[in-house]
Amino acid sequence: GESVGLHLPTLSVQEGDNSIINCAYSNSASDYFIWYKQESGKGPQFIIDIRSNMDKRQGQRVTVLLNKTVKHLSLQIAATQPGDSAVYFCAENTPPGGYQKVTFGTGTKLQVIP
Amino acid sequence: EPEVTQTPSHQVTQMGQEVILRCVPISNHLYFYWYRQILGQKVEFLVSFYNNEISEKSEIFDDQFSVERPDGSNFTLKIRSTKLEDSAMYFCATRGQGGELFFGEGSRLTVL
Repeated sequence: GESVGLHLPTLSVQEGDNSIINCAYSNSASDYFIWYKQESGKGPQFIIDIRSNMDKRQGQRVTVLLNKTVKHLSLQIAATQPGDSAVYFCAENTPPGGYQKVTFGTGTKLQVIP
Repeated sequence: EPEVTQTPSHQVTQMGQEVILRCVPISNHLYFYWYRQILGQKVEFLVSFYNNEISEKSEIFDDQFSVERPDGSNFTLKIRSTKLEDSAMYFCATRGQGGELFFGEGSRLTVL
């Protein structure tokens, strides 16, 4: 079946260091992956996405890496700031059906230590 | 920046009562979704909606749930007879051009 899971439930990082949040997915048919950030009491906020025909995509201070061979996704945050403290979810879209259903992983809580 | 808005932000109801949660999607988006998140757990897909009909639903979305877009702007989720286990945050989302979902701030439902 399809499942999206995260390796670590909590990650503590010193301010200024780089953070790496990992995610494993099990459905090799998934073709689109998204990282969301959720701050306490708020809805998930889109960070960055990547399609299965790519293995790396960069945004502002964030990079997503996709390894289809081992079905692994990671989110790298450069120079982590206190405002990055949140729960991070990876999500996948699996065809058919276009983008009708996006499945979320369990989430990793990122704690930034000032 | 356009955003998805949801009302109410918090609703407390008695078990067995009907609840309607409302969402105003981003105006040029065509695909709408409801997700829920039980406290401390992951975000779970409920239903997707396109062209005035349900396009996909999860096993959570049973006969007690319904969605509609009654007036072309609001997108609603109705729970006919609430149960204790329906207590959760309910998020409305709409899909952008690239496939990414834009979420509202959520409606917290507490069933007593």
